[in-house]
Amino acid sequence: AQKITQTQPGMFVQEKEAVTLDCTYDTSDPSYGLFWYKQPSSGEMIFLIYQGSYDQQNATEGRYSLNFQKARKSANLVISASQLGDSAMYFCAMREEPFTGGGNKLTFGTGTQLKVEL
Amino acid sequence: KAGVTQTPRYLIKTRGQQVTLSCSPISGHRSVSWYQQTPGQGLQFLFEYFSETQRNKGNFPGRFSGRQFSNSRSEMNVSTLELGDSALYLCASSRDRGTEAFFGQGTRLTVV
Repeated sequence: AQKITQTQPGMFVQEKEAVTLDCTYDTSDPSYGLFWYKQPSSGEMIFLIYQGSYDQQNATEGRYSLNFQKARKSANLVISASQLGDSAMYFCAMREEPFTGGGNKLTFGTGTQLKVEL
Repeated sequence: KAGVTQTPRYLIKTRGQQVTLSCSPISGHRSVSWYQQTPGQGLQFLFEYFSETQRNKGNFPGRFSGRQFSNSRSEMNVSTLELGDSALYLCASSRDRGTEAFFGQGTRLTVV
């Protein structure tokens, strides 16, 4: 069964510094997608970045990059130049993508609460 | 481009009642998935609809049901509400196996 593990319940980072949020996953499917979301206190889930299991390069979106290490089954999110507005809960999620069937079901980790300080 | 719209945003219901939540996906997206988020259980998958058919289902009792219309809008229904159904209900809209999956702002349901 697919599983996502986020081992950091809370993280602190100083403004303008970079921070890495850890995510490891477990799946027996050779094809899968990995997602990161940001959830501010308002509750909305904001899509940040996607990495496909067959993508050769690490995904990047502005200040967000995904450090994908397939052999280690890890998909860490790196936020560069942290801003106060980055304070939120961050979730890692996985979608299995079998050759037939599958769908768009996401399995989420437990999240990491990030606090950016002055 | 309009985002994913969930209505209502907040809801208070009494135990035993039923409730219907609505989700309008992004134009062109045929997949709508529903999730329940609680402090104790985290984010849990309820079900996914694609082209008006339920394609995946999570481990929730039959009191939780859903449907999808021809315009891809989806509704989920919870019958005989229990206190434990109090949660944030989120829906996600995507293309099939798309590289993005966008969520609505959620419906916060409180059962009293």
